[in-house]
Amino acid sequence: AQSVSQHNHHVILSEAASLELGCNYSYGGTVNLFWYVQYPGQHLQLLLKYFSGDPLVKGIKGFEAEFIKSKFSFNLRKPSVQWSDTAEYFCAVIAMTTDSWGKLQFGAGTQVVVTP
Amino acid sequence: DAGVTQSPTHLIKTRGQQVTLRCSPKSGHDTVSWYQQALGQGPQFIFQYYEEEERQRGNFPDRFSGHQFPNYSSELNVNALLLGDSALYLCASSLGLGLALYEQYFGPGTRLTVT
Repeated sequence: AQSVSQHNHHVILSEAASLELGCNYSYGGTVNLFWYVQYPGQHLQLLLKYFSGDPLVKGIKGFEAEFIKSKFSFNLRKPSVQWSDTAEYFCAVIAMTTDSWGKLQFGAGTQVVVTP
Repeated sequence: DAGVTQSPTHLIKTRGQQVTLRCSPKSGHDTVSWYQQALGQGPQFIFQYYEEEERQRGNFPDRFSGHQFPNYSSELNVNALLLGDSALYLCASSLGLGLALYEQYFGPGTRLTVT
């Protein structure tokens, strides 16, 4: 069965520190990859997505992610976090098969707390 | 431009009862997907509706059923509620064809508590 793993459940860091959240998936075929963010009291929002092409994708609010096919990874990065980046971050995958397309599979999420 | 809306916001039900949750998709979207998010976990895909038919289904029992109306809004029904059905139920909408299918916009969710 396909799965999505996020390496950390909780991350605490100070403002201006760099952030990297790991995400690995277990599917050998073609995938579409996503990072979603859920700010406190708000609904899930799309941060960035990868469909094809340049494996380094840029999203909103200064976030970027790199797709490394050989490692089945799609790690999220931000060079310098702000207090407003405090949120829960979810990695998600859609496997491009006839029985999975349109079906987002999420990791368990990483709670990120940025301290002033 | 209205985003995805869901009702009700919160709901408390007793074990064994039935519940109906509602979702209106983002303007212009024709596909609705439902997810269950238990506490401390990521959302789990329940099913997806397109053109008033269930197009995809996740690993959920038949107690979970749905419907899509001609105006693209959708309902999620859960029968014979169990304590384990307590969760946040999320609705997501998208366009049904092409790459746009893979960009799903989420609503705020309905928090269901089963006692």
